[in-house]
Amino acid sequence: GENVEQHPSTLSVQEGDSAVIKCTYSDSASNYFPWYKQELGKRPQLIIDIRSNVGEKKDQRIAVTLNKTAKHFSLHITETQPEDSAVYFCAAFWGANNLFFGTGTRLTVIP
Amino acid sequence: DGGITQSPKYLFRKEGQNVTLSCEQNLNHDAMYWYRQDPGQGLRLIYYSQIVNDFQKGDIAEGYSVSREKKESFPLTVTSAQKNPTAFYLCASSILRLAGDEQFFGPGTRLTVL
Repeated sequence: GENVEQHPSTLSVQEGDSAVIKCTYSDSASNYFPWYKQELGKRPQLIIDIRSNVGEKKDQRIAVTLNKTAKHFSLHITETQPEDSAVYFCAAFWGANNLFFGTGTRLTVIP
Repeated sequence: DGGITQSPKYLFRKEGQNVTLSCEQNLNHDAMYWYRQDPGQGLRLIYYSQIVNDFQKGDIAEGYSVSREKKESFPLTVTSAQKNPTAFYLCASSILRLAGDEQFFGPGTRLTVL
């Protein structure tokens, strides 16, 4: 199966600074990499995703980069705001419609 | 709110009892999933189903059972054989696509064993 590692487990940044969360995966056959945001007590929601034929994707203040050779992908949030505070999960799609999730990063944006 | 619902929101169980968690979706998705979420461990797959009357074990299926009699419904039973059932349970659904696609999550059920 697939193994996804995510770092750091916690991250604190000042409002307006950037935040970067990194994930590595083990199986080169993985081809879809979503990022989910989970606010306290809420359901995870997709914020951005990238497929293996693309190296970078941006959506306003959020971007994801993928390095297939090194088997790692990263989430970048610029100009962070207090409402960005949440737990972020990366995932890698492998096999028959299975997503393997990282262990999550708790991001705190300090006003 | 996403078209996928779970009930109840909170559930309390005595040791030795089986309990069933409900998951319903009106998104016409073929695939449905059950995850367990524990603090610091992310989401772990319990069971998934790609089609009615068929389902597969995930990474932590022991002590759990599911059924998929209707496309819209994928209930999860936590049996007394599950050693540590206290957790947050999330149901999800997606279009069945070999290249992977967004999974939509329900609001979750928090199960506590007393």
